[in-house]
Amino acid sequence: DMKVTQMPRYLIKRMGENVLLECGQDMSHETMYWYRQDPGLGLQLIYISYDVDSNSEGDIPKGYRVSRKKREHFSLILDSAKTNQTSVYFCASSPGTGVVERLFFGHGTKLSVL
Amino acid sequence: SQWGEENLQALSIQEGEDVTMNCSYKTYTTVVQWYRQKSGKGPAQLILIRSNEREKRSGRLRATLDTSSQSSSLSITGTLATDTAVYFCATPDTNAYKVIFGKGTHLHVLP
Repeated sequence: DMKVTQMPRYLIKRMGENVLLECGQDMSHETMYWYRQDPGLGLQLIYISYDVDSNSEGDIPKGYRVSRKKREHFSLILDSAKTNQTSVYFCASSPGTGVVERLFFGHGTKLSVL
Repeated sequence: SQWGEENLQALSIQEGEDVTMNCSYKTYTTVVQWYRQKSGKGPAQLILIRSNEREKRSGRLRATLDTSSQSSSLSITGTLATDTAVYFCATPDTNAYKVIFGKGTHLHVLP
């Protein structure tokens, strides 16, 4: 069905709590991404995963880690969340070998850290 | 940043009007992608144009790419209220797996 699914859609956490954002895709795409989106800053790349257990930092990895144990699942983990991590987080995937020509995005997770 | 500052703007137009959005990029690219993001949703690709194409059409959409001026445009003819969204241009980075997004154009089409 060519879908990227993110869970949960909305999440409220207190500062210092751990946060797990989950993403799944049904297209057997090799490459998956986590972005965050903030007003005026556009989409900022946090991490890329090239395949299972093959992850690379993006442009703003500090404060985040990822896990990819199955090709179809990619998780973003915030250990001890901070208020400045309040944002909308998007997961994306691409068939990606060579130059990426299209990203498929999920609907996003809106995270509020109080 | 890969993208010029003119990529961040807001436009408000009447339904039925035509609109053109522009992006300029700083380093050579072989592909420019245009995405649309509606409120509460993730971005979705509208059109991709390659460096060997000067123009590409898809329905009411027309994308251009000028490698000499390092700029790309997206035009929408006969806009509808449902075209209200943020439009992003994007291009692969030197790390080809990375895609860099411009800051987007907020388009508001009034019914």
